[in-house]
Amino acid sequence: AQSVTQLGSHVSVSEGALVLLRCNYSSSVPPYLFWYVQYPNQGLQLLLKYTSAATLVKGINGFEAEFKKSETSFHLTKPSAHMSDAAEYFCAVSVSNDYKLSFGAGTTVTVRA
Amino acid sequence: GAGVSQSPSNKVTEKGKDVELRCDPISGHTALYWYRQRLGQGLEFLIYFQGNSAPDKSGLPSDRFSAERTGESVSTLTIQRTQQEDSAVYLCASSLETSLYSYEQYFGPGTRLTVT
Repeated sequence: AQSVTQLGSHVSVSEGALVLLRCNYSSSVPPYLFWYVQYPNQGLQLLLKYTSAATLVKGINGFEAEFKKSETSFHLTKPSAHMSDAAEYFCAVSVSNDYKLSFGAGTTVTVRA
Repeated sequence: GAGVSQSPSNKVTEKGKDVELRCDPISGHTALYWYRQRLGQGLEFLIYFQGNSAPDKSGLPSDRFSAERTGESVSTLTIQRTQQEDSAVYLCASSLETSLYSYEQYFGPGTRLTVT
């Protein structure tokens, strides 16, 4: 069975600073990996996904993530935080390219002016 | 176009009562999913519908939980004899197909259920 660990339930960054959200997964087979964002009072929205085509994945709103097999990680980054990035971020994994996603517990990002 | 909608947005119920949660998927989406998110935890898969195929109920935590979907439209998740541990946000998602490689799951805003 696969599982996802997100390190840090809360991250606070200054506007313009680097955003780094950590995600590690456990899987015995190559995974499909996803990052979702949830803005207040809204549904989850897909930020980006890794499907083995390229290890560095670019998503919406300037976010990107790098798949590192040796570290079983899929960390999410954004070079310069914006106030609108304040939200909860979820990492998710699927190993069978089907509908069953396993989610991490989420990381809440706050952005300081 | 309209996204996935869920109702009610909040529900407070007494222990032992039955509740019904509703999900309206995006029109034309054949696949529909229910997830549960307990406080401080990730989303848990509950049940999946795809067209007229038999639903995958493998994630339902007990026989108090059931769900129905009429064709490719509205779905209802029913929890009978609610318990305090059922308190959570229940999320619905829909997609065109089941392949995560190609088709994104679109999530609704969720229903926050509180059992007192």
